[in-house]
Amino acid sequence: SQKIEQNSEALNIQEGKTATLTCNYTNYSPAYLQWYRQDPGRGPVFLLLIRENEKEKRKERLKVTFDTTLKQSLFHITASQPADSATYLCAPSSGGYNKLIFGAGTRLAVHP
Amino acid sequence: DTGVSQDPRHKITKRGQNVTFRCDPISEHNRLYWYRQTLGQGPEFLTYFQNEAQLEKSRLLSDRFSAERPKGSFSTLEIQRTEQGDSAMYLCASSSTGSETQYFGPGTRLLVL
Repeated sequence: SQKIEQNSEALNIQEGKTATLTCNYTNYSPAYLQWYRQDPGRGPVFLLLIRENEKEKRKERLKVTFDTTLKQSLFHITASQPADSATYLCAPSSGGYNKLIFGAGTRLAVHP
Repeated sequence: DTGVSQDPRHKITKRGQNVTFRCDPISEHNRLYWYRQTLGQGPEFLTYFQNEAQLEKSRLLSDRFSAERPKGSFSTLEIQRTEQGDSAMYLCASSSTGSETQYFGPGTRLLVL
């Protein structure tokens, strides 16, 4: 069955450093992969989408890579800020009508 | 654009009672999804509508769950004879055809006592 793995433990980093979050998937070949941010008690918010033919995508301080051979996506936040503290969810997708299958998420805490 | 809204935001009920949640998607979005999320987990897909047609239901959606989208706009999710295991955050999302991005509402947190 399809499986998505994200760092299960919280990631604690110091303000200004780069946070790197990992998403590994098995037993399917997604056409694209999305990253969402979720704050406590709120719904997920879309951040970035990367397609299978793209190796890297950037948006402001965010960078996503997608390695279909390793079946892995890395999500980077550079110059992290306490406001970046949240849970980050990855969702690889095979396309179609875009039912999303999420990983469990990684909780990021950025300390001043 | 007011985003996706859900009502109520919180619901506490006793086991065995029926509950109904409402979702109002972004107005021009024809696709609507329901997800359930428990603590420490990512959202799990429950069901999907394209316009008023319910095109997929997850195996997670037992016979006690029913969802409707009668006019292709708002949607309701009803849980009959609630059980403690139904306690979770119920999320609604919408998107438009051709867009991979889903826009989520704030969720309805259900607690079954």
